[in-house]
Amino acid sequence: RKEVEQDPGPFNVPEGATVAFNCTYSNSASQSFFWYRQDCRKEPKLLMSVYSSGNEDGRFTAQLNRASQYISLLIRDSKLSDSATYLCVVSWAGKSTFGDGTTLTVKP
Amino acid sequence: DGGITQSPKYLFRKEGQNVTLSCEQNLNHDAMYWYRQDPGQGLRLIYYSQIVNDFQKGDIAEGYSVSREKKESFPLTVTSAQKNPTAFYLCASSKLAGGLAKNIQYFGAGTRLSVL
Repeated sequence: RKEVEQDPGPFNVPEGATVAFNCTYSNSASQSFFWYRQDCRKEPKLLMSVYSSGNEDGRFTAQLNRASQYISLLIRDSKLSDSATYLCVVSWAGKSTFGDGTTLTVKP
Repeated sequence: DGGITQSPKYLFRKEGQNVTLSCEQNLNHDAMYWYRQDPGQGLRLIYYSQIVNDFQKGDIAEGYSVSREKKESFPLTVTSAQKNPTAFYLCASSKLAGGLAKNIQYFGAGTRLSVL
C-alpha cells in the first residue's frame, strides 16, 4: 500500500462545477498536510496547507480528518484556469511524501 | 528575489557519463530535497538533507549521489550506474521549524534530463 493515495482521476468537469478530491495517508504520526498544484511540465506549487479545523481560501476548501487519516480538497465554481494536477502531500520529521496526483480538466 | 534556482533547464547525457544538476536556494532553508518525476507519475524522493554535511537516501537513491557543503547548495550527480535517467528532476527546500511555514516545500523550475 502506498503511503499517500489519491483518487486516480482524471476528473473532467464543466465550468462552474464543484469538484472534490480525496486523499488517504498511512502514517498516523504525520504532522503537516498540504495540497499542491502542478501544471503540465512545470514544478509543483503550494495551493494551500491543511489544518485540523479545516480551512478555506476563496473557492478552495481543505479538510483534515486525523482519525480516518483522510484529507480532502473542494473546489467550487470551477474555472478553466483550475485545470491542473493536484497533489496531496503529507509530512513527517521533515520529509514529505507526495501522492501521485489527480488531474482536473475544466471544460467550457 | 528569494527562491530556488535549478540549472540547466535541459541536459543531455551520453552513455557512461556522469552529469551534475545544480540547485541553489537563497531562502535560508535548512532542508533540501531532490525528486524524480517520470511522465504521468508522481514525485519520488531521491535524496534529502536537513543540515550541512549530512544527507539521507530517499526511496530511489541508487545511481545518484549528492553533497551538501553549503546551506544554499545541494547538487545532484546522476552517475553512469543510473541506467534509466531520463526524467524531470525537481529540487525543493523547506524550513524545519517556524510554525505554519514548517515543512512547506518550495520547488525550483526543474531540469529535464535525456539520454543521447
